[in-house]
Amino acid sequence: DAGVTQSPTHLIKTRGQQVTLRCSPKSGHDTVSWYQQALGQGPQFIFQYYEEEERQRGNFPDRFSGHQFPNYSSELNVNALLLGDSALYLCASSYGTGGISNYGYTFGSGTRLTVV
Amino acid sequence: RKEVEQDPGPFNVPEGATVAFNCTYSNSASQSFFWYRQDCRKEPKLLMSVYSSGNEDGRFTAQLNRASQYISLLIRDSKLSDSATYLCVGDTIHTTGTASKLTFGTGTRLQVTL
Repeated sequence: DAGVTQSPTHLIKTRGQQVTLRCSPKSGHDTVSWYQQALGQGPQFIFQYYEEEERQRGNFPDRFSGHQFPNYSSELNVNALLLGDSALYLCASSYGTGGISNYGYTFGSGTRLTVV
Repeated sequence: RKEVEQDPGPFNVPEGATVAFNCTYSNSASQSFFWYRQDCRKEPKLLMSVYSSGNEDGRFTAQLNRASQYISLLIRDSKLSDSATYLCVGDTIHTTGTASKLTFGTGTRLQVTL
C-alpha cells in the first residue's frame, strides 16, 4: 500500500521564478493538505483540498495556489518566488475532512525547495 | 502569540533518563491533540494521540489538561533512538465543518547520549 508520494524531492529555483510541487495521496485517501516547514520551525498549514476545492487556507499570500485533480492528487504552485520561500514543503493526505480523526493523516517525505 | 508553544530545547539527556516535554495552546477550538516525532530532514510521524484521561504507549505517556490548555509528553528509560524533534500538534475543525488543519508547535529537540 503506497504512502504519500511527493515530487520532486529537491528543487533549486531563482528568485522570481514559479514552481509546481506534486503530491499523490495514500491509497484510499481523498483529502490533501499542504504545509511549509522552514528550518528550525514546525510545519505551517498552507491549505487543504477536498472534492477538488480549496476548503481552508492558512496565512499565506495569493502567490501560493493549488489544485486537486479527480484522482485526488494535488499540486502546489508558488509564483514570484522569494528567498523566504525556501523550505520543506510537506503534503499530508487523509480520508474525508471536517472532524475526521487524525489517524488518517499521512505525510509525504516532502519537497525541499531552495530559492537562490 | 503562537497557537501552540513549546520549549525548543535542545534537551540533552543520558540514556535511561526520564524526560518531560510541555506544550501550551491558545486556540480553545482545537479538538484533538497529538505528539509527532520528526527525525532530521524527514517528515513528521505520528507518535501518539493525547487525551484528557492520559495515554500511555510503552515508555511514552501523554496527557492533556483542557482547563489549563496544557499538553505533556513523558519519555521513560530514554534510548539513543529517541533522539529526534518532538512536535506538539493541535487539530482544529474549521467553522464550516468541512475542513480541518493541524497546527504544529516549533518542536522540542531531544538528544539522548551514552
